[in-house]
Parts: sequence; structure tokens; C-alpha cells
Amino acid sequence: SQELEQSPQSLIVQEGKNLTINCTSSKTLYGLYWYKQKYGEGLIFLMMLQKGGEEKSHEKITAKLDEKKQQSSLHITASQPSHAGIYLCGADISGNTPLVFGKGTRLSVIA
Amino acid sequence: NAGVTQTPKFRILKIGQSMTLQCTQDMNHNYMYWYRQDPGMGLKLIYYSVGAGITDKGEVPNGYNVSRSTTEDFPLRLELAAPSQTSVYFCASSYATIYEQYFGPGTRLTVT
Repeated sequence: SQELEQSPQSLIVQEGKNLTINCTSSKTLYGLYWYKQKYGEGLIFLMMLQKGGEEKSHEKITAKLDEKKQQSSLHITASQPSHAGIYLCGADISGNTPLVFGKGTRLSVIA
Repeated sequence: NAGVTQTPKFRILKIGQSMTLQCTQDMNHNYMYWYRQDPGMGLKLIYYSVGAGITDKGEVPNGYNVSRSTTEDFPLRLELAAPSQTSVYFCASSYATIYEQYFGPGTRLTVT
């Protein structure tokens, strides 16, 4: 959706390096959801953020929602080949409506 | 729990043919969704349902129809298939819109 912009579109990092993926909305985010998609498979839920300034972590992945609730970042520390895939952000931009999704960021991790 | 299941996994249709993509969830979720994913375009919502007997259009509903007779099932019907409907179709469900969605494995459809 044009309402959600993800950057970068693709990313190639060396194993062990850190990386950040951004998701920016032109509207206030009532909820922001990060998903990971392995090539050829369905989406796996990673994290949900709802409050401005909120930060959540799971293993080596940290997601933040900025104070103004219009941008979220996903940070991976010490990347591994298992982190490779497509990361998509989904957002509720109207309040109690189905999510709109960004176009995704394709991550490759090379040894 | 099996979660969200979709059938078939792959299908090739000829232009003008019709088919139904099946979606079933066993989590007793009220909300169910159909998305299509085209290369580099993210997910686009086709139709969604907030409960049995209630459906609504999403961003790209043309050429598709849905029904929701039970909480568990949400089939997507393609009438008169066109090459523009070549895509990967995902079904998802959630307890409510503010909760995370659970996705099925997808159906890869090619129309030639």
C-alpha cells in the first residue's frame, strides 16, 4: 500500500552484521505489526506495537514505534542466515480496520 | 491446532475458467481475510469477514467473490479467470483487527 513505505526494498548483509528496516506511514498508526515471510511460504508474526515509544525484542530482533506513531524500525543484531527472508510491516491506520501492508524488505544474509 | 489451512497449494487455470480457493481456521477467530501478493507489491486485501454471514470488500475485490457461512470457513471464488489474477493468495484470520493475524501457507495460482 502507498500508505506504508518500507525501506530499503532489499538488503544484503554479511553474517554477523547489524541492520535496520524502516516502515513509515503518512497517517497515525493505531497498531503496527511486523511479519517475516520465508521465500515461498506464508507470513509469520513477529511483533506488535501500539503505543508511541514502545519497544519490543525477541531474540536478536528489536522493533520500535516512534513517539509520533508514524514510523517503526526493525533492528536485527548480529544477523544470521536464518534471518533471511522478506520482512513486511502491516498497520492499522484507521482504527479497527483490516491491516494495510508495506511492499516488504527482502533480506539476504551472506557468509 | 492446525491454524489456518489453504487448499490447493498450486493451481493452473485457463482463461475463463472458475475455481474456489478454500480456507479453514480452527482458532475460532471472528475475522478472516483474503490477500493477494504480487512480486514486489506486498499484500493487497481482496475481501474480509468480521463473522459468519458478514463480508466486506477490500482494496482489490473485482473478479472475486466470497461467502462466510461458518466461523471456520472463508472460501474465495474466482469467476472467469484472467491472467491478471495470476498471484499468490493468502488467507488469514484474527480474533479482532487489533490482534495479530495468522496466515495460511498460500495458494500459488497461474492463469494462462
